[in-house]
Amino acid sequence: GAVVSQHPSWVICKSGTSVKIECRSLDFQATTMFWYRQFPKQSLMLMATSNEGSKATYEQGVEKDKFLINHASLTLSTLTVTSAHPEDSSFYICSARAGNSQYGYTFGSGTRLTVV
Amino acid sequence: GENVEQHPSTLSVQEGDSAVIKCTYSDSASNYFPWYKQELGKGPQLIIDIRSNVGEKKDQRIAVTLNKTAKHFSLHITETQPEDSAVYFCAASNPNTGNQFYFGTGTSLTVIP
Repeated sequence: GAVVSQHPSWVICKSGTSVKIECRSLDFQATTMFWYRQFPKQSLMLMATSNEGSKATYEQGVEKDKFLINHASLTLSTLTVTSAHPEDSSFYICSARAGNSQYGYTFGSGTRLTVV
Repeated sequence: GENVEQHPSTLSVQEGDSAVIKCTYSDSASNYFPWYKQELGKGPQLIIDIRSNVGEKKDQRIAVTLNKTAKHFSLHITETQPEDSAVYFCAASNPNTGNQFYFGTGTSLTVIP
């Protein structure tokens, strides 16, 4: 089946630094990738939708200058948390689908970000 | 926009018993309803899904039912096992909103051996 590889699985960084999270579709071309944030014991909150070759669409309340999303190829999307602060500590998860189908979403394994 | 509610937030059952998790949605245009299982520190894994043209779907010990009129759908797990312990999320999506998923708030299921 479709596999989405997400790295790193966990990262600790200092306040003010930037962190990049990668999401790769291993056996399919992901025309659309979604980035979610999940706080402890809460649901997944959609941050942004990225389509290959175009600018990401951010959900209301998500700072596009802080959470930089790049989807330069059909198999790779990256999320960069710039100038991270402790309140950015969270579990970040990507998901991807091939084509325009409503079905067949595959989630990455998530990245636990801790900002100290 | 779509609003998905999920109940209960926590559920404990004895091994071998059944577990039922219920979700309601608000947008009648939603037509795809997946269920995800999330283990601690991992991403969600699709366990079963149902489309609006079907009322029930079953896969071994897992089944999902959908009532379009009432706008609710349920996950049923029979003969529960300790490895079923996890957080379960329901979701709804519709093509009118770019097929994005609207997730429920999650149910933490504990199966007691």
